[in-house]
Amino acid sequence: ETGVTQSPTHLIKTRGQQVTLRCSSQSGHNTVSWYQQALGQGPQFIFQYYREEENGRGNFPPRFSGLQFPNYSSELNVNALELDDSALYLCASSLALGQARRRTDTQYFGPGTRLTVL
Amino acid sequence: ILNVEQSPQSLHVQEGDSTNFTCSFPSSNFYALHWYRWETAKSPEALFVMTLNGDEKKKGRISATLNTKEGYSYLYIKGSQPEDSATYLCASPTGTASKLTFGTGTRLQVTL
Repeated sequence: ETGVTQSPTHLIKTRGQQVTLRCSSQSGHNTVSWYQQALGQGPQFIFQYYREEENGRGNFPPRFSGLQFPNYSSELNVNALELDDSALYLCASSLALGQARRRTDTQYFGPGTRLTVL
Repeated sequence: ILNVEQSPQSLHVQEGDSTNFTCSFPSSNFYALHWYRWETAKSPEALFVMTLNGDEKKKGRISATLNTKEGYSYLYIKGSQPEDSATYLCASPTGTASKLTFGTGTRLQVTL
């Protein structure tokens, strides 16, 4: 296993509610990326945090927000949940040593949080 | 090719068979190509990061090749075993962040 942990494992919410998913990155990693995997699709990039600042965002609405803490763990918050938010949410950590290297940095994934919105 | 595409979508082979599948990606502004193996109920596992045209990487019975000029990579598994059963994903980093754009994966099932 990668050393990246996520909690909770599964979660059931209803439409309109808010949810917080948590990710503990691998020791020594300073970058966390979040992905959403809907059924039948590959993981879709939500956003990335590098040293506590957002460092890129995918095509997701503002109700998807995140945080990275000084210990480099991270949260993904989703407000006003919709049925289409039902998916597996993956976080991945990596060690970015410089701007130019980031595209070749290996991202180490956690097992994901399965979110069901009813 | 604007997106990362993988084929076939699924594959069913017998133990001992060798197999291969394809990842196609945008060849312009190429930076790297990542391969992952994802077993059910586990974390995606990084296999390879490939950067150079003509590069070949190997990990046990799994190897991968890269053609950046035409925008494709092949993943080969020699002598498939049941434990190779997994979804194999490829991803290309885009943008200023190391945002990975994934294909939909090739689901491999190896039976006895």
